[in-house]
Amino acid sequence: DTAVSQTPKYLVTQMGNDKSIKCEQNLGHDTMYWYKQDSKKFLKIMFSYNNKELIINETVPNRFSPKSPDKAHLNLHINSLELGDSAVYFCASSPRLAGNEQFFGPGTRLTVL
Amino acid sequence: AQSVTQLDSQVPVFEEAPVELRCNYSSSVSVYLFWYVQYPNQGLQLLLKYLSGSTLVKGINGFEAEFNKSQTSFHLRKPSVHISDTAEYFCAVSDLGRDDKIIFGKGTRLHILP
Repeated sequence: DTAVSQTPKYLVTQMGNDKSIKCEQNLGHDTMYWYKQDSKKFLKIMFSYNNKELIINETVPNRFSPKSPDKAHLNLHINSLELGDSAVYFCASSPRLAGNEQFFGPGTRLTVL
Repeated sequence: AQSVTQLDSQVPVFEEAPVELRCNYSSSVSVYLFWYVQYPNQGLQLLLKYLSGSTLVKGINGFEAEFNKSQTSFHLRKPSVHISDTAEYFCAVSDLGRDDKIIFGKGTRLHILP
């Protein structure tokens, strides 16, 4: 199936740990994104990559580091996890041009204990 | 800078009744406008979008929205809702020619009453 996929779907971990979330899209899109959705459903962009190049880097703690090995993958690594990092993280992709639909992955629910 | 305001955090409506979800935006330049839907425990999917042309935009699942430039609004409507329309609805805006960044509103929870 053509889609945006994320792994894992659920992630439960202790404070202070380091974890990664993986994202892959097979839609042939040039641009990929990471969003954070908090408990109130507020959706905020974190990062955007176009052809492996960082385009958008919002005000995000530097404990969060995106890595794009190729244009079909955008992984998110989080160091020293904190309670406030608990949220649902969504990966998305879109064609390069502005105004195009963003295709979202199913989300990764991160719970930090 | 652009911003999006969804005036209602929750909208309860009876099944088969009409619904309107309100969205206002602010931007100093021309914009693209979107409505996304998020069903429980799923990612977002596009309902419809306005890029240019006709101000009345039709989307999936019987939804439509009207772009009103003078009122800077992009309200979403459906003439008759179904229980399966229960979801969170997000309005979003993107400046023309910018770096593909989309700003989302805070969402409106549509609650269908039997």
